[in-house]
Amino acid sequence: EPEVTQTPSHQVTQMGQEVILRCVPISNHLYFYWYRQILGQKVEFLVSFYNNEISEKSEIFDDQFSVERPDGSNFTLKIRSTKLEDSAMYFCASNLQPDTQYFGPGTRLTVL
Amino acid sequence: GQQLNQSPQSMFIQEGEDVSMNCTSSSIFNTWLWYKQDPGEGPVLLIALYKAGELTSNGRLTAQFGITRKDSFLNISASIPSDVGIYFCAGITVSSRLTFGEGTQLTVNP
Repeated sequence: EPEVTQTPSHQVTQMGQEVILRCVPISNHLYFYWYRQILGQKVEFLVSFYNNEISEKSEIFDDQFSVERPDGSNFTLKIRSTKLEDSAMYFCASNLQPDTQYFGPGTRLTVL
Repeated sequence: GQQLNQSPQSMFIQEGEDVSMNCTSSSIFNTWLWYKQDPGEGPVLLIALYKAGELTSNGRLTAQFGITRKDSFLNISASIPSDVGIYFCAGITVSSRLTFGEGTQLTVNP
């Protein structure tokens, strides 16, 4: 069964450094998303992406964040200058139509 | 923004018991989804509900989309140890973003 994959599974970085989290959505899906989950809390929406552009973003998704679909298979989330409070699990999700979403296993980002 | 109130926060049950959890909101949702999350992993979709009043089953799981479109419940029958995990409800409005509930931590004692 096709699934969303994410790399790396765990990323440790120093405050102020740039990180790129990578996702490979399910191959025929058209809508892509990033969510984050701070330890012990609920999952929060960051951004949705369709037709090579951002369709919606939350208040969390400020100028430090950007997304890109550099080729036909990858979907990336970049954090330009990480802060301590960016430490969280980051989940990529995708779907064929804008309803049911399928999540990847997540990347645990630790900012020191 | 929209908020989902999920209850209970946690449940401790014996193997074989039935479980019920629910989500309510002051906002109307067009789609309700239920996910299960194991520690260190991503949410896994259990059931999707698309119409008000819809009742859907997936094995021992049953979920309903409330008539008012502001609530949903999930039932698990005859619980087993592998049902342990955190269960999240999530709703979608006119945009495609998912709004998640706070989660229900389920513990099943063998």
